[in-house]
Amino acid sequence: RKEVEQDPGPFNVPEGATVAFNCTYSNSASQSFFWYRQDCRKEPKLLMSVYSSGNEDGRFTAQLNRASQYISLLIRDSKLSDSATYLCVVNHYGGSQGNLIFGKGTKLSVKP
Amino acid sequence: DTGVSQDPRHKITKRGQNVTFRCDPISEHNRLYWYRQTLGQGPEFLTYFQNEAQLEKSRLLSDRFSAERPKGSFSTLEIQRTEQGDSAMYLCASSPEGRVAFFGQGTRLTVV
Repeated sequence: RKEVEQDPGPFNVPEGATVAFNCTYSNSASQSFFWYRQDCRKEPKLLMSVYSSGNEDGRFTAQLNRASQYISLLIRDSKLSDSATYLCVVNHYGGSQGNLIFGKGTKLSVKP
Repeated sequence: DTGVSQDPRHKITKRGQNVTFRCDPISEHNRLYWYRQTLGQGPEFLTYFQNEAQLEKSRLLSDRFSAERPKGSFSTLEIQRTEQGDSAMYLCASSPEGRVAFFGQGTRLTVV
């Protein structure tokens, strides 16, 4: 089982749609969670951190369920500019694992 | 520009040659990560440093790969005897103590 698994995608949605991405992680010791966005042929950039209580940033809402080892990202009122690949990222603190583990990413295409 | 800087941006090399990439992290960040990314995949972890200490290496990092961060500032990634399978985007990221990581624009390696 991969350490971080995401919906395979691609997601093709019309402007204004609501879209949700899911991610599961295998290491229960994971401490920090993030969603990154990556545009074609560009570097990944932080979209938002994910907190235990859930958090919202404008049209974006992130949720974490530690018991199920599950992370989600909800995008409301999709814009054309939201088209990108969304990467789920998990960080282990302490021990021998301090690195960031990325999922394969889910590609989103928002159409007019 | 105070972001993560990578050099060169593009490198074309013949199979069997050695290549070296450089990464200059954000100055106050003590963690530095190297990742490799191929088309359609998320970034794959290669190695990371905390200051000058290399704390973890992926098994993807074969004997032909070596990374250094001699003074805890910039880092180099060297690939010896390059193979066509080494063709990828090599991404460097830095973070303050395992928190949010910021990526450079990457070095795109093509082995011909």
